[in-house]
Amino acid sequence: EPEVTQTPSHQVTQMGQEVILRCVPISNHLYFYWYRQILGQKVEFLVSFYNNEISEKSEIFDDQFSVERPDGSNFTLKIRSTKLEDSAMYFCASSPAGTRQGEQFFGPGTRLTVL
Amino acid sequence: QKEVEQNSGPLSVPEGAIASLNCTYSDRGSQSFFWYRQYSGKSPELIMSIYSNGDKEDGRFTAQLNKASQYVSLLIRDSQPSDSATYLCAVTGGGNKLTFGTGTQLKVEL
Repeated sequence: EPEVTQTPSHQVTQMGQEVILRCVPISNHLYFYWYRQILGQKVEFLVSFYNNEISEKSEIFDDQFSVERPDGSNFTLKIRSTKLEDSAMYFCASSPAGTRQGEQFFGPGTRLTVL
Repeated sequence: QKEVEQNSGPLSVPEGAIASLNCTYSDRGSQSFFWYRQYSGKSPELIMSIYSNGDKEDGRFTAQLNKASQYVSLLIRDSQPSDSATYLCAVTGGGNKLTFGTGTQLKVEL
């Protein structure tokens, strides 16, 4: 069964550094998302992406964050000048077109630790 | 602020019993409703979607939606120890943004 993959599984970085989290969505899906989950807290929406542009973003997704689909398979989240409070699990998700476009399938996540 | 509320639990049920998980949402314009299962340290896994009032059954799972009461529930029949996890309720409005609740921890005891 096709699945969303994410790399790396764990990223440790120093405060102020830039990180890029990578995702390969399910191949026939058209909608892509990033969510994050701070330890012990709820899953929070960051951004959705469709047709090579951001379709919706949350208040969390400020100028520190950017997303890109650099080729036909990868979807990336860049976090510039990381802060301690950016430490969280970051989940990529994708969903198909049509009536099931809300059914989002999540990747295994990247645990980001900012020191 | 659009909210999704769930009792954090833990909800403990004996093996073979029915587990009933509940969720309320604040945005009356919410259109799509989902239940995800999340094992500790893992990502959310979609188990049910429901879009219209009433019941939807899939194997041992039944989702129930009541838009007038802004209430969604998930029933798990013949609960198994492997069902022990946190169950996340999520809703969408006009777009595809999922708003999650904090989840209910389910423990199925032998």
